[in-house]
Amino acid sequence: EVQLVESGGGLVQPGGSLRLSCAASGLTFSSCWMNWVRQAPGKGLEWLANIKTDGSEKYYVDSVKGRFTISRDNAKNSLYLQMNSLRAEDTAVYYCARSDYGGYVTYWGQGTLVTVSS
Amino acid sequence: EIVLTQSPATLSLSPGERATLSCRASQSVSTYLAWYQQKPGQAPRLLIYDASNRATGIPARFSGSGSGTDFTLTISSLEPEDFAVYYCQQRFGWPRTFGQGTKVDIK
Repeated sequence: EVQLVESGGGLVQPGGSLRLSCAASGLTFSSCWMNWVRQAPGKGLEWLANIKTDGSEKYYVDSVKGRFTISRDNAKNSLYLQMNSLRAEDTAVYYCARSDYGGYVTYWGQGTLVTVSS
Repeated sequence: EIVLTQSPATLSLSPGERATLSCRASQSVSTYLAWYQQKPGQAPRLLIYDASNRATGIPARFSGSGSGTDFTLTISSLEPEDFAVYYCQQRFGWPRTFGQGTKVDIK
């Protein structure tokens, strides 16, 4: 059974940093494109970033480019999202997600809540 | 960035009725479009990929059609568990983008 478990969310002040982690199991992690997707409270889904199987390619949405960095450690079956210069509008549930079929999410974590507030 | 616009925002229907949801892209995405279902407090679930292919385990009452800029998700006969929010998503270009969602609620 595929499991994606996020951690690292919490309350952070504007301008602060946070690092999210995602532990993957039940899949061949090193063969998977992985993603971060977020959902602000009561709002829709926003795709943030993804990373190729070996980490050689990374793509970001403009709203986080230069502030967020996606990375992975295939030896640890783990995905990360380093978030810097956080803003109130970054408040959301952050999902770790695996994509298949060329770019659709087939497995999602349970999400971790990030709240940016003073 | 490819913008996906879903309509209507809310669809109020009764169980057993047919639901037709629309997703329009700001430029052609060929058939590289998916549909997801999300229920309150849950992560989304992939229903349809590449416009018309049902994902594993998805009931046959869900079907997708379209190409280019206009796409449709059809639920042939609504079951009680189908009342949820539905999102479309494209994989044609970077960044990947989602539509804003259509809520299907009980009339």
